[in-house]
Amino acid sequence: QVQLKETGPDLVQLTQTLSITCTVSGFSLTTYNVHWVRQPPGKGLEWMGAMWNGGGTDYNSAFKSRLSISRDTSKSQVFLKMNSLQTDDTAKYFCARLGEDYWYFDFWGPGTMVTVSS
Amino acid sequence: DIQMTQSPASLSASLGETVTIECRASEDIYNGLAWYQQKPGKSPQLLIYNANSLHTGVPSRFSGSGSGTQYSLKINSLQSEDVASYFCQQYYDYPFTFGSGTKLEIK
Repeated sequence: QVQLKETGPDLVQLTQTLSITCTVSGFSLTTYNVHWVRQPPGKGLEWMGAMWNGGGTDYNSAFKSRLSISRDTSKSQVFLKMNSLQTDDTAKYFCARLGEDYWYFDFWGPGTMVTVSS
Repeated sequence: DIQMTQSPASLSASLGETVTIECRASEDIYNGLAWYQQKPGKSPQLLIYNANSLHTGVPSRFSGSGSGTQYSLKINSLQSEDVASYFCQQYYDYPFTFGSGTKLEIK
């Protein structure tokens, strides 16, 4: 069955770099697209960026040049890396699979909560 | 960016009632809209896509409608397991954007 799972640190220091891995199973990264979405505590959802099945990427300009997404198809993993972390980057980070025909998110990982500490 | 204005922010209704949540887009999104349900501590779950198509396995008491800039999610015969937050998402244009959410409680 389709599964996604995020793994990353619980705590990151101010101005440091965040690295999160999304490991998927039940589908191929060369067939489906995987995106990153985050949610600050008690708040709404924010789309961050995409890893397309062909290997291309797209980013929300709100993150300017801080964000990088990459993948290792042999390990079925997608990676998020974001530098210069601030306290308002404290959030739960989700990876989610994009639907095959339309661009809704049909499967999500459970998310990983990251706190940026000063 | 396309702004999604969702209302109400919170909603309290009785079991068996019908509730409606609305999303207004800042421009025409041509039915490129999804609705998600998120229970506390969990990830969002897809309910509706393409504004009115029910995702596999979602109870038929959920329905979506709308066009242009105005969309709504209706829940008929409210059940206790429907207590959750609900979000709309437009995927017509980049960046994908979400509504601010509606928290649904039982009276």
